[in-house]
Amino acid sequence: GDSVTQMEGPVTLSEEAFLTINCTYTATGYPSLFWYVQYPGEGLQLLLKATKADDKGSNKGFEATYRKETTSFHLEKGSVQVSDSAVYFCALSDLGQGGKLIFGQGTELSVKP
Amino acid sequence: NAGVTQTPKFQVLKTGQSMTLQCAQDMNHEYMSWYRQDPGMGLRLIHYSVGAGITDQGEVPNGYNVSRSTTEDFPLRLLSAAPSQTSVYFCASSPRVNQPQHFGDGTRLSIL
Repeated sequence: GDSVTQMEGPVTLSEEAFLTINCTYTATGYPSLFWYVQYPGEGLQLLLKATKADDKGSNKGFEATYRKETTSFHLEKGSVQVSDSAVYFCALSDLGQGGKLIFGQGTELSVKP
Repeated sequence: NAGVTQTPKFQVLKTGQSMTLQCAQDMNHEYMSWYRQDPGMGLRLIHYSVGAGITDQGEVPNGYNVSRSTTEDFPLRLLSAAPSQTSVYFCASSPRVNQPQHFGDGTRLSIL
């Protein structure tokens, strides 16, 4: 079945450092891809999405490009802030498999001043 | 603008007790779902509904029941609580099944 694999955390960075969180997927069809963010004590919020190959999703300085050839959707940000500390989840939705969201295990990011 | 509202926020149960986690959304979304979040395992789908009167099982449905009598409400019932059901439970909704979902703030459930 479909699956999502993320790099393990926790990831600890200094403020203004460059962030990459790797995400790869396995899918039988042509899924939509998502990044969600979870701040402490809260539910998940959609950060960005991409619905087809080569699409780039972006929001709040974060970017991710849908790479079909490498089945990847890596999350990047050029300069992280303390306020970016959260857990980040990569997810896919494959209409051919019913369209339900399938999540990676999450990557915790901690940004130090 | 309430979005997805979950109650209660915290609950402690004894093994064998039953309870219902409430979920309501005010966005007229057709698709609703329940997940559990456990350390290192991401979110796993328990049950979902594509519209009023229609429910189906997700990845980890055992020990849980759901119903969808209205578009707005999607309660999750624990029939006989077990320690393995200690988790954080999230309800989510979206206009349709493969569109971005809106999440509630979660219910932290401990089973002793």
